[in-house]
Amino acid sequence: KAGVTQTPRYLIKTRGQQVTLSCSPISGHRSVSWYQQTPGQGLQFLFEYFSETQRNKGNFPGRFSGRQFSNSRSEMNVSTLELGDSALYLCASSPGTGPGYTFGSGTRLTVV
Amino acid sequence: AQSVTQLDSQVPVFEEAPVELRCNYSSSVSVYLFWYVQYPNQGLQLLLKYLSGSTLVESINGFEAEFNKSQTSFHLRKPSVHISDTAEYFCAVSDWPGTYKYIFGTGTRLKVLA
Repeated sequence: KAGVTQTPRYLIKTRGQQVTLSCSPISGHRSVSWYQQTPGQGLQFLFEYFSETQRNKGNFPGRFSGRQFSNSRSEMNVSTLELGDSALYLCASSPGTGPGYTFGSGTRLTVV
Repeated sequence: AQSVTQLDSQVPVFEEAPVELRCNYSSSVSVYLFWYVQYPNQGLQLLLKYLSGSTLVESINGFEAEFNKSQTSFHLRKPSVHISDTAEYFCAVSDWPGTYKYIFGTGTRLKVLA
């Protein structure tokens, strides 16, 4: 059974640009969550989707957005990138019927 | 609001020695508890979880954790560590289906010395 797949693994972007990260959940999983991991702030919750509906959103500016498609795949977008957006972005999926998530390997975003 | 405290940011220990990584949480509602491990440049791997039932939970690679409701703790233990256990360990709580998110601790970096 394939795990959670995140693409790309690494990205380098320039300040002011925008970026889209992709996440393919485990087959059959309907819930997808996103987390940002930085050395200073640790692991912070961005948002969670279930069956294309956002059920919760973390305390991030509106530049951070996400969506989920009918096949449960999810994307997150960050517009007008800032240096502080440099981080490891982790996607996690679950069946959506209980607690417990499986994480992907992450996308390492570097903003220069 | 929920919070998770991992008091030790780094724990050095010699190979084959026992180790305990501490995790305390606070929550006004019932929670589920998790330990994840992260190796360099990788994502988080689930080590073990407490959902209900027996308060002592075990993983397949020798780690165990005990849920202590009165002390609001979920400490991770291993009786004999290996070099390969060197990694960062994160404790997390979930109030599912409340907020559909994890609250993570700040992590403990376990360094196993030869």
